[in-house]
Amino acid sequence: GNSVTQMEGPVTLSEEAFLTINCTYTATGYPSLFWYVQYPGEGLQLLLKATKADDKGSNKGFEATYRKETTSFHLEKGSVQVSDSAVYFCALSAYGGSQGNLIFGKGTKLSVKP
Amino acid sequence: DTAVSQTPKYLVTQMGNDKSIKCEQNLGHDTMYWYKQDSKKFLKIMFSYNNKELIINETVPNRFSPKSPDKAHLNLHINSLELGDSAVYFCASSLRTGGRSNSPLHFGNGTRLTVT
Repeated sequence: GNSVTQMEGPVTLSEEAFLTINCTYTATGYPSLFWYVQYPGEGLQLLLKATKADDKGSNKGFEATYRKETTSFHLEKGSVQVSDSAVYFCALSAYGGSQGNLIFGKGTKLSVKP
Repeated sequence: DTAVSQTPKYLVTQMGNDKSIKCEQNLGHDTMYWYKQDSKKFLKIMFSYNNKELIINETVPNRFSPKSPDKAHLNLHINSLELGDSAVYFCASSLRTGGRSNSPLHFGNGTRLTVT
């Protein structure tokens, strides 16, 4: 079946550090891949997405590249800020099956210290 | 001009009670969802409706019953609440574009349900 595995947190970084949150997936067909972010006390918001192999999604300084050969969609940011502290979810949406059903990873909590 | 709004934000109730959570979206989306987030932040889909028709119904106790009076609303009714129902419940909506659903979800801010 389809699944998403992301690195366990929490991840604690100092401001301006480099961030990588690993995400790998298992899916039949050609899924779309997403990163969602959940700030404290809020719902999830779409951060970026990629719909086909080699696509790069980017937003707010975050990037992730859809790598079909390694079935990965790692999230990166060159210089994190305190305001980036949140829980980050990798997700996939697969063609066929439960259409519209996003499958989420377990989330990675990021804490950025000043 | 909130896109996806759900009420109440907090709900504290006793075991055995029946409660409802309401959700409305003003984005013109045709698909709405309910997700449950447990204490470890794990997010799992419960239900999905497209144009008022149930299209996803994951393994959820039948004490949970979604109701969609129109495509802008998807309410969640829970009967005979149990301690294990304590969680944050998120409503979401999206456009269902043909056979490939890569339309992003828009989430509400969640309803924190505490059953005592």
